[in-house]
Order: sequence, then C-alpha cells, then structure tokens
Amino acid sequence: AQSVTQPDIHITVSEGASLELRCNYSYGATPYLFWYVQSPGQGLQLLLKYFSGDTLVQGIKGFEAEFKRSQSSFNLRKPSVHWSDAAEYFCAVGDLNRGSQGNLIFGKGTKLSVKP
Amino acid sequence: DAGVIQSPRHEVTEMGQEVTLRCKPISGHNSLFWYRQTMMRGLELLIYFNNNVPIDDSGMPEDRFSAKMPNASFSTLKIQPSEPRDSAVYFCASSTLGNTEAFFGQGTRLTVV
Repeated sequence: AQSVTQPDIHITVSEGASLELRCNYSYGATPYLFWYVQSPGQGLQLLLKYFSGDTLVQGIKGFEAEFKRSQSSFNLRKPSVHWSDAAEYFCAVGDLNRGSQGNLIFGKGTKLSVKP
Repeated sequence: DAGVIQSPRHEVTEMGQEVTLRCKPISGHNSLFWYRQTMMRGLELLIYFNNNVPIDDSGMPEDRFSAKMPNASFSTLKIQPSEPRDSAVYFCASSTLGNTEAFFGQGTRLTVV
C-alpha cells in the first residue's frame, strides 16, 4: 500500500537559515508527489508538485523539492527561511489506485518553527 | 475566484446530534473531495465525487457518515448521530478532472461534546 513518511514531527530553525524537510514515500510506480503548507487555522496550500521530468521542482514562496527515486524521497528545501514560513508542512502522494487524480495520501506533517 | 468555501468554520454539538458540513467547490471544478484531519490519524480521504457522482467512499468511517453532491456547486457531509470521536477538522477540496492539484477550503472544526 502507498504511504508517506515525514520523519520529523517538529523542526525549529533560525530566520535566515536553510531548511530541509524530509519526506519518504512508498509507491509501486512513478509517484505523483506534492508538498502542501498549512498555516494555523487555515486550509492547505500547494507549494509544489512533481509528476515527471526534471527531478528538481521549483515551487512558490522560494521552496524547491528534489525527487530521488533511488531513495524514495522528495525532500523540501528553502535556502533562507523567513518568519512567515512558520507553519505545518505536508508531503503527499497521489493515490492513482483509487481511480482518480487528486486523491492524496498525506504524511503526518512537520511543524516548522522559526526563531528570530 | 473565492476558492473552496466551507461552512460553518466551527461547529460545537452534543453527542447524538446530527451535524451537516457544507462545501462549495471552485466554479468549473468537477472533482470534489472530503478529508478529515485528526492528531492521531492525520489527513484522511473520506469520499470523493466526479461530476457529482460518488466514486469512492471507502474512507467513510461508518454508516453514521454520509455525503451528497446534489449539483456541481454544492456538497454536504452529514454525521448522524455524532460522537465525540468525530471531533476533527473536516476539509473539502476540489479539482478539475485529470488535474492532480486539489484546492482546499479552510476547513470546519467540529467538536462533539
């Protein structure tokens, strides 16, 4: 069965420091991969997605992610974190076995705190 | 575009009562999804519709849960009777068929006491 693992429940970084959030997936074929961000009390906003092609994907707000098939990973990165990046981040894989795009299997999320 | 609109934003109800959550998808989107978010289980897909037709409801936890989509611009998720373990944030999302990008509403925080 497909699954997504985000090993880090909570990460704290200093403002201006670099960030990497880890995501590992289990999927039998080439996955559709996503990163979403959820600010407190808000819905989920798509940061970026990977379907095929270039394994380094650029997203909004200065985020990028790299798909590494050999490691079954899709880690999210940002070179310099801003205080407004404090939020919860979710990695997800598209569950195409359920017959439709848009069905997502989510990881448990990583909460990012940013120190001044 | 106003995005996916969910109502109410917060709902507090007593155990045993009926609860109805509402969702208006983005105009032109023809796929609609209901997700539930809890601390223990994270985000889980409950049910989704394509062109107003329920396609997969295998994520619906029990018969107490039901969802309808009477037209392309409105969907409901009903819990009857509600139980404290139903307390969660319920998200509605919509997308276009063939597009894997789902747009989420702000969610309904349900508390059953």
